[in-house]
Amino acid sequence: AQTVTQSQPEMSVQEAETVTLSCTYDTSENNYYLFWYKQPPSRQMILVIRQEAYKQQNATENRFSVNFQKAAKSFSLKISDSQLGDTAMYFCAFMKGHYGQNFVFGPGTRLSVLP
Amino acid sequence: DSGVTQTPKHLITATGQRVTLRCSPRSGDLSVYWYQQSLDQGLQFLIQYYNGEERAKGNILERFSAQQFPDLHSELNLSSLELGDSALYFCASSPTRGTGELFFGEGSRLTVL
Repeated sequence: AQTVTQSQPEMSVQEAETVTLSCTYDTSENNYYLFWYKQPPSRQMILVIRQEAYKQQNATENRFSVNFQKAAKSFSLKISDSQLGDTAMYFCAFMKGHYGQNFVFGPGTRLSVLP
Repeated sequence: DSGVTQTPKHLITATGQRVTLRCSPRSGDLSVYWYQQSLDQGLQFLIQYYNGEERAKGNILERFSAQQFPDLHSELNLSSLELGDSALYFCASSPTRGTGELFFGEGSRLTVL
């Protein structure tokens, strides 16, 4: 079974600074997807960024980028120019294959952006 | 707006009661997932349906049951409710094939008194 680990339960960062959230996963699969979801105080689950395992290039979405190390099974999220609106719970997630099988979430990292 | 609709948004009930949570997936999505999130906790996977058939089961209690109907909407039934069942229940849907991500509804907040 796949597992997802987020070793930082809580983090904080000053506004405009850069922060990196860690995620590791365990799988024997070769084809899979990785995701970062954000859950702000509104509790809505919002997709931040997605990475296909077969792509070597790291995904980027505006201020959000990932460092995907397939051999090390590591998938960290970097937030640049942190904004107050980035304050949220961040969940790393793994999905096997293409059909939504075994969609597994990590325990989450609570990020606070300080003014 | 993710396109996934959940009703009701809020529900308050008493211990021992039964409730039904409803989810309409995005148009065209065949997969529906149910997750439970207790206060300040992560997401616990309950169950997944694909085109009306149960595909995967997580830590779903025997007091809970779900189904997906021919029109692809899904219902999660929670019975003999206990205080510990108070949580946010999310429904999500995913495309049959493609980017693989889950699209989440806004959740149904259940409070058991």
